[in-house]
Amino acid sequence: DARVTQTPRDKVTEMGQEVTMRCQPILGHNTVFWYRQTMKQGLELLAYFRNRAPLDDSGMPKDRFSAEMPDATLATLKIQPSEPRDSAVYFCASAPPNSYEQYFGPGTRLTVT
Amino acid sequence: AQSVTQPDIHITVSEGASLELRCNYSYGATPYLFWYVQSPGQGLQLLLKYFSGDTLVQGIKGFEAEFKRSQSSFNLRKPSVHWSDAAEYFCAVGARSGGSNYKLTFGKGTLLTVNP
Repeated sequence: DARVTQTPRDKVTEMGQEVTMRCQPILGHNTVFWYRQTMKQGLELLAYFRNRAPLDDSGMPKDRFSAEMPDATLATLKIQPSEPRDSAVYFCASAPPNSYEQYFGPGTRLTVT
Repeated sequence: AQSVTQPDIHITVSEGASLELRCNYSYGATPYLFWYVQSPGQGLQLLLKYFSGDTLVQGIKGFEAEFKRSQSSFNLRKPSVHWSDAAEYFCAVGARSGGSNYKLTFGKGTLLTVNP
C-alpha cells in the first residue's frame, strides 16, 4: 500500500532554531505539495513542485521558509529561524502525473516554544 | 480564481442518523470536485471525486455526493452515520483550465461529532 511518508511526526523546538521537515512522495508521483494547517487559518498551500521544479511558493514566508526537492524521492521544508507563530501541522501531499488526486502524508506537528 | 465554502463549521448527529455536509463552490465552469476526510491526528484521505458524467458519485465508507450545477453545490451524504465517521471533512475544487496546474482549493472544513 503506497503512502506518503513524513518525518519527523512531532517536533518541539525553541524559537530561533532551524527546523527541517522531510517528505517522501509516492513512487511515480511527480507533483509534491506542502500545506500548513492551523485552527485559525485552516489548510494553507505553502508551495508545490512538479518534476522537482518549484511551481509556486507564494504561500510561504520567503524570509524564513524554504522548500526543495533534492531528488524525486525527497522533498524538504525548512524554517530558519523558527518562531512560535510557525507552530502548526505541516502536511506533504503527492499526486500522479496529470491528476488532481492528492495523497496526503500523516503530517509533522511542529511546536515552537 | 475558484473558491469553496463549507457553511457549517461543526455538525453533531446521533449514530444511525443520516448526514448531509454542505459544500458550495465558485468557479466559472464545471470544476473537478473532491471530498476528503481527516481523522484526528491523521492526514487527509480522499473520500470521493467528481470529474464528469453521473452527478451522483459513490465513495468509500458508504459516502456519496451529488453535484448540482444549478446550485454550485457538491454536498456529501451518508444514510446512516457510524461513530467512526467522527472526523473533519473537507471539500475541495480543482480548476479545469488555467494551465492545468492541478492545484486544489480547500474549504475550511466541517467537524463532525457523532453522539452514541
